[in-house]
Amino acid sequence: QKEVEQDPGPLSVPEGAIVSLNCTYSNSAFQYFMWYRQYSRKGPELLMYTYSSGNKEDGRFTAQVDKSSKYISLFIRDSQPSDSATYLCAMSARNTGTASKLTFGTGTRLQVTL
Amino acid sequence: DTAVSQTPKYLVTQMGNDKSIKCEQNLGHDTMYWYKQDSKKFLKIMFSYNNKELIINETVPNRFSPKSPDKAHLNLHINSLELGDSAVYFCASSPPLAGPNSYNEQFFGPGTRLTVL
Repeated sequence: QKEVEQDPGPLSVPEGAIVSLNCTYSNSAFQYFMWYRQYSRKGPELLMYTYSSGNKEDGRFTAQVDKSSKYISLFIRDSQPSDSATYLCAMSARNTGTASKLTFGTGTRLQVTL
Repeated sequence: DTAVSQTPKYLVTQMGNDKSIKCEQNLGHDTMYWYKQDSKKFLKIMFSYNNKELIINETVPNRFSPKSPDKAHLNLHINSLELGDSAVYFCASSPPLAGPNSYNEQFFGPGTRLTVL
């Protein structure tokens, strides 16, 4: 079983819909939770970052972390065709040195249709 | 003004060959990484260097050898290429940690798509 599980999709929604993307994990040492967005044929780019449990909002995006359930979510409001991409959750344990060892989910492919 | 660049973008080669992928970052970061993304989009760390020193070395075949000539460059050399090495290889870099509870964002390059025939 992978440390981080993520439904690969694809997930197809109409423009304007609310999108919910989720990951579950098994390693209780994870403290940092990230969402990366990856457009086709491009490298991942950081979308949201949360430390420990709680919510974080940035424009149309909201990240939620529930450490008791080992479950994280990304919500996208008023989804746009430009949101069509693969969304990767990533996690790491407490930083002890100079590098963060990220463990990624497999990514969920999202398609927002007109 | 590309932040993290990789060459080549595409690489098609025969089994058994030796090839190298190069990565350069102009962000002034101290830490660089190599990741492998397979056909199912699963992204897995391979190596990390901090200021030319190897700090993360995941379970990767010995055929893969990273080299960091300076902190702005991290190259990946692969010997005796196998079919299973076909993947997209991403280089990334990150700045120093800002504090004990901080996260150092990793900036990814555009990837090198390796196809082994």
